[in-house]
Amino acid sequence: SQTIHQWPATLVQPVGSPLSLECTVEGTSNPNLYWYRQAAGRGLQLLFYSVGIGQISSEVPQNLSASRPQDRQFILSSKKLLLSDSGFYLCAWRYPGHPSSNYGYTFGSGTRLTVV
Amino acid sequence: QKEVEQDPGPLSVPEGAIVSLNCTYSNSAFQYFMWYRQYSRKGPELLMYTYSSGNKEDGRFTAQVDKSSKYISLFIRDSQPSDSATYLCAIEAGGTSYGKLTFGQGTILTVHP
Repeated sequence: SQTIHQWPATLVQPVGSPLSLECTVEGTSNPNLYWYRQAAGRGLQLLFYSVGIGQISSEVPQNLSASRPQDRQFILSSKKLLLSDSGFYLCAWRYPGHPSSNYGYTFGSGTRLTVV
Repeated sequence: QKEVEQDPGPLSVPEGAIVSLNCTYSNSAFQYFMWYRQYSRKGPELLMYTYSSGNKEDGRFTAQVDKSSKYISLFIRDSQPSDSATYLCAIEAGGTSYGKLTFGQGTILTVHP
């Protein structure tokens, strides 16, 4: 079966510090991978998505970047965090191919980032 | 105008009530419609998925899509305290969208015993 791992669960970082959040998927090959951010009491905003190794698409210009060094690894980074980067970060994967996949997305358990 | 608007709630209902959650969308290119349930401090989990107008039923849950009105709903029958969570509608354009989802802002539901 497929599983998605995301860590750390909670993170408190000072303004100006770097960030690295990691997500890995097991049990599938060549998944589509996604990073979303959820602000308190709000819906999910897509930040980045990847359809293959080294292929990153950014949805929102911001202080963050993403990388996919391996097929099932997706990393969210920042060189210098801002207060506005605080939020709940979620990694997700889905099967590629026809968009009418009946599996939807599978989300990780999320990382709650607080920038102080 | 946001692409997806969701009734923000919050909703508080007694156990056993019928719950109605609603979203509207503006982009007629949207083809695939989902409802996610998110418990506090957890990732969302897929509840219902549909791609056609009409109703889809799964146990106590019914997803309804009206593409002509650009309106989607989720009905929960015989609601239980364990249904207390945030419910998010999500819509996908399909085609070359690469599975990108547009979410509503979520509705917090509390079912009290």
